[in-house]
Amino acid sequence: QVQLQESGPGLVKPSQTLSLTCTVSGDSMTSGSYYWSWIRQPAGKGLEWIGRMYRSGATYYNPSLNSRVTISLRTSKSQFSLRLSSVTAADTALYYCARNVWRGHRDEGFDYWGQGILVTVSS
Amino acid sequence: QSALTQPPSASGTPGQTVTISCSGSSSNIGNNAVSWYRHLPGTAPKVLIYFNVERPSGVPDRLSGSKSGTSASLAISGLQSDDEADYYCVAFDDSLNGYVFGTGTTVTVL
Repeated sequence: QVQLQESGPGLVKPSQTLSLTCTVSGDSMTSGSYYWSWIRQPAGKGLEWIGRMYRSGATYYNPSLNSRVTISLRTSKSQFSLRLSSVTAADTALYYCARNVWRGHRDEGFDYWGQGILVTVSS
Repeated sequence: QSALTQPPSASGTPGQTVTISCSGSSSNIGNNAVSWYRHLPGTAPKVLIYFNVERPSGVPDRLSGSKSGTSASLAISGLQSDDEADYYCVAFDDSLNGYVFGTGTTVTVL
């Protein structure tokens, strides 16, 4: 059974960098069918896609966050991470990691998600 | 970035059918696959439908997806109390080169 688990600080000060890690178990991260993604949900709001990374190192980010976001993989540790710089209160949200499946040109959505981790931006 | 448009809420009595719409544009739904997710507070979202109409194993066939043009729908038939949750549609957007989520629909079983 594939499982994803987010970890990291639950409190970040304004202007600092938010750093989260997602640990993947139950399957290899090196399969060519998967992108590794981050998604967030601010309190009382809907889900927002942050970005994703492929095993090749290719990254794709939400344009609204592009200049502040970095996603990286550490396949040897079955982990991928999110860094979001210069955070403000607007970045307070529940952050999810998820596996995004593409088989050829066929988008099969996000099949596995972590439970989510609440990150609050406050001094 | 414009989210896909869903009705804020939908409701029905046990056994009824509820249909949730998801409206987008030619750069997302019109040209890419749609997936649907059920989300309960404090839990991981669960995929219900992917590639517009396909169900993962374990998802009952009383849940079905459809797509036409720039809109998609999720139908839940034989409504049960367990169906109370938030539902989201998602599609890849060619202009953004990334995903857009729907605004979310809260389903209530009366």
